[in-house]
Amino acid sequence: EVQLVESGGGLVQPGRSLKLSCAASGFTFSNYGMAWVRQAPTKGLEWVATISYDGSSTYYRDSVKGRFTISRDNAKSTLYLQMDSLRSEDTATYYCARHTDNPWYFDYWGQGVMVTVSS
Amino acid sequence: DTVLTQSPALAVSLGQRVTISCRASKSVSTYMHWYQQKSGQQPKLLIYSASNLESGVPSRFSGSGSGTDFTLTIDPVEADDIANYYCQQSNELPLTFGSGTKLEIK
Repeated sequence: EVQLVESGGGLVQPGRSLKLSCAASGFTFSNYGMAWVRQAPTKGLEWVATISYDGSSTYYRDSVKGRFTISRDNAKSTLYLQMDSLRSEDTATYYCARHTDNPWYFDYWGQGVMVTVSS
Repeated sequence: DTVLTQSPALAVSLGQRVTISCRASKSVSTYMHWYQQKSGQQPKLLIYSASNLESGVPSRFSGSGSGTDFTLTIDPVEADDIANYYCQQSNELPLTFGSGTKLEIK
């Protein structure tokens, strides 16, 4: 059974940093691209970033470029999202999702972790 | 960016047929996918590439469309289908989602 379990969320002040983790199991992690998708309270879904199966390629939405870094450790079957210079508009539930390849969609999702950016 | 437009909400009677629409601001070919999100839960993939039913999803769900106009159909609607439904395009980056359609039961 595919499982994705996020951790690392919490309350953080504007301008500070936070690092999310996503532990994967039930599939060969190193064979799949992975992504982070977020959802602000009572709002819709928003793609944040994608990383290729081997970590060689990364893609970001414009509003997080230069502030967020997606990475992975295939030996640990873990996905990460380093979030720097956080803003109030980054407040959301962050989902880890498994990425299919060509076309790109998300076939498994974690339960999500809440990030609140507030002073 | 490709903007996806969905109706905010739909009300339907149990046992009836409902179609949820998604219109793209530019052609996305068949790179359109549909998700169901129940209250307090993570999204779940229903349909990929416009019309392909994800494994394990009931055959009551179906998808159609190409280019800019897409539909998700549920027939017949069951009480368990109360949820928000999102379309998502993968024709170009950034990947974008529709704003969601809330399905309500009359």
